[in-house]
Amino acid sequence: GDSVTQMEGPVTLSEEAFLTINCTYTATGYPSLFWYVQYPGEGLQLLLKATKADDKGSNKGFEATYRKETTSFHLEKGSVQVSDSAVYFCALTDSNTGNQFYFGTGTSLTVIP
Amino acid sequence: KAGVTQTPRYLIKTRGQQVTLSCSPISGHRSVSWYQQTPGQGLQFLFEYFSETQRNKGNFPGRFSGRQFSNSRSEMNVSTLELGDSALYLCASSLATAALNTEAFFGQGTRLTVV
Repeated sequence: GDSVTQMEGPVTLSEEAFLTINCTYTATGYPSLFWYVQYPGEGLQLLLKATKADDKGSNKGFEATYRKETTSFHLEKGSVQVSDSAVYFCALTDSNTGNQFYFGTGTSLTVIP
Repeated sequence: KAGVTQTPRYLIKTRGQQVTLSCSPISGHRSVSWYQQTPGQGLQFLFEYFSETQRNKGNFPGRFSGRQFSNSRSEMNVSTLELGDSALYLCASSLATAALNTEAFFGQGTRLTVV
């Protein structure tokens, strides 16, 4: 079945450090890939997405590239800020299972000044 | 445009009771999905409704049920509550049709505590 595996946290970085959160997936059909972010006490907000191989999603300085050959969708940001502190979820939807999202376990990021 | 609205935000119930949670999707969105979020299990898919029909269902017992109304608003019901049902319940709406995978927009969730 479909699944998403992302790096375990928590991750603690200093402000302006480089961020990578690894995400790999397994899908039976043709997946679309997403990164969502969750701030304390809130629901999930879409950060970026990619719907086909080699697409790059980007938003607010975050980027991720859909790599079919390595079944990966790693999240990167060149210079993190304190306001980026949150939990990040990698997710997919699959053409075989319609609108159901499969989520990774989430990676908690804390950025310290 | 208004986002996804879930009510209530917080609930405390006793074991054995039942509970109904409500979700109003973004205007024009016909797909509503429900997810359970717990520290131990993460985000798990409950079910999806599209045009008042359940289109997909996750691996939860029959105590968990839902429905969707003609205005796309959705409710989920949990009967005979157990302590393990304590969780954040998230509703997501999307434009998704049968052939299109699009992003989902999430509400802030309902925090259910069973005591």
